Amino acid sequence: GAGVSQSPRYKVAKRGQDVALRCDPISGHVSLFWYQQALGQGPEFLTYFQNEAQLDKSGLPSDRFFAERPEGSVSTLKIQRTQQEDSAVYLCASSLERYTEAFFGQGTRLTVV
Amino acid sequence: DAKTTQPPSMDCAEGRAANLPCNHSTISGNEYVYWYRQIHSQGPQYIIHGLKNNETNEMASLIITEDRKSSTLILPHATLRDTAVYYCIVRVDASGTYKYIFGTGTRLKVLA
Repeated sequence: GAGVSQSPRYKVAKRGQDVALRCDPISGHVSLFWYQQALGQGPEFLTYFQNEAQLDKSGLPSDRFFAERPEGSVSTLKIQRTQQEDSAVYLCASSLERYTEAFFGQGTRLTVV
Repeated sequence: DAKTTQPPSMDCAEGRAANLPCNHSTISGNEYVYWYRQIHSQGPQYIIHGLKNNETNEMASLIITEDRKSSTLILPHATLRDTAVYYCIVRVDASGTYKYIFGTGTRLKVLA
């Protein structure tokens, strides 16, 4: 497909479990963002990559959250020791260059039980 | 911190223009205003953006006040498929990086 692909679409994790969420951006896109969207709220910024460089991780809520994009394409958001407040939709977006239109994936809905 | 405020919900009759307001009174001179919309269970979709001039594309028009403290998104002929949550966003640039700061959104319902 030509869009941003995220997997899995749904994830249920037991409290304390580690999870990994994957984002396949549009091929060739330089910029990549991760956002967290709680139920009924707007998306909140987590982190930004330009190619493989993580230029901004100011939105990551705690040191349990870690993101990587080692080859400048696929990105993984990892959450360690999940807690109930981590339940949210995690959105990934990519854009061709800095400041061009950002395309969002459908998100991964994480439920921590 | 949210940089935009929007009404939580609005209704619009099908075929009429939908005018969605947004306040961004603390916006800085180089920060762009973006609008995205989100249909249930999908990711946000880009609509339009601007800095200080009014903008128009095939989807919508964006009217930004001269002092840049507010803007209005106009959908000229709303259809049922325009029912969605509309987000007014400020793009913040800093030290070689940038990010989009979303507001809480306006839930637009287009009525038949």
